Amino acid sequence: KNEVEQSPQNLTAQEGEFITINCSYSVGISALHWLQQHPGGGIVSLFMLSSGKKKHGRLIATINIQEKHSSLHITASHPRDSAVYICAVPPFFGNEKLTFGTGTRLTIIP
Amino acid sequence: NAGVTQTPKFRILKIGQSMTLQCTQDMNHNYMYWYRQDPGMGLKLIYYSVGAGITDKGEVPNGYNVSRSTTEDFPLRLELAAPSQTSVYFCASSSGPSGYTFGSGTRLTVV
Repeated sequence: KNEVEQSPQNLTAQEGEFITINCSYSVGISALHWLQQHPGGGIVSLFMLSSGKKKHGRLIATINIQEKHSSLHITASHPRDSAVYICAVPPFFGNEKLTFGTGTRLTIIP
Repeated sequence: NAGVTQTPKFRILKIGQSMTLQCTQDMNHNYMYWYRQDPGMGLKLIYYSVGAGITDKGEVPNGYNVSRSTTEDFPLRLELAAPSQTSVYFCASSSGPSGYTFGSGTRLTVV
C-alpha cells in the first residue's frame, strides 16, 4: 500500500503570501490528485497530474515522479483559500481507489 | 452537467434504524465510490464499484451494503445504525483521465 505524507499539517499565513504544501508517496504512481475541502463543505478536485506542472488561476501543482514528490503552490493567497488541501494517489495498476494524505489545514489571515 | 448528486444532505437516525444514501452521477463514469470522513480525520473507503453489477469492499465495509444496478446509481445502505456510523459520507465517481468528482456529502448523526 502506498504511504502518502503531507506537510505541513497546519499552515497559517497572511493574505498575499506565497503558499507551498508538500506531498510525498512511497510507491510509484500513474497520477496524483490534489483536492480541496472547505470547512463543513464538499470536496473539489483541483488537479490530476502525472508529470510536470499544471496551473489553474493562482494555483500551481508540480510533480517529480522520480523523487515521488508533489507540491501545491498558491500565489497571492486570499482568505477564501482557507481550506483543507488533500493529496491522493491511485495504485499504479488496477482500479482507481485512492490513498489519501492526512490533509493540510490552511488558514489565510486578512 | 449535475456531476455527482447525493441525497439527503443531512439525516438524524436513531440507533437500530436503517436508511439508504442515494448517489447518482450523469458523467457515464465506470468507477464509483463511497467514503466516510469522521471529524478531523481523512477519508476512508467503504465500498467501490468498477461498473454496473460489480461492487467490492473497501477499508471499512462493516455495517454497510451497496448495489450497482445501473452505471448512474450507487446507493449505500446502512442497516441497524450505530453511533459509530456518525460521519460525513461522500460519494464519488471517476473515469481515468477525467479524474475524480465528489458529491456534496451527507452528514449523518446516529443518536
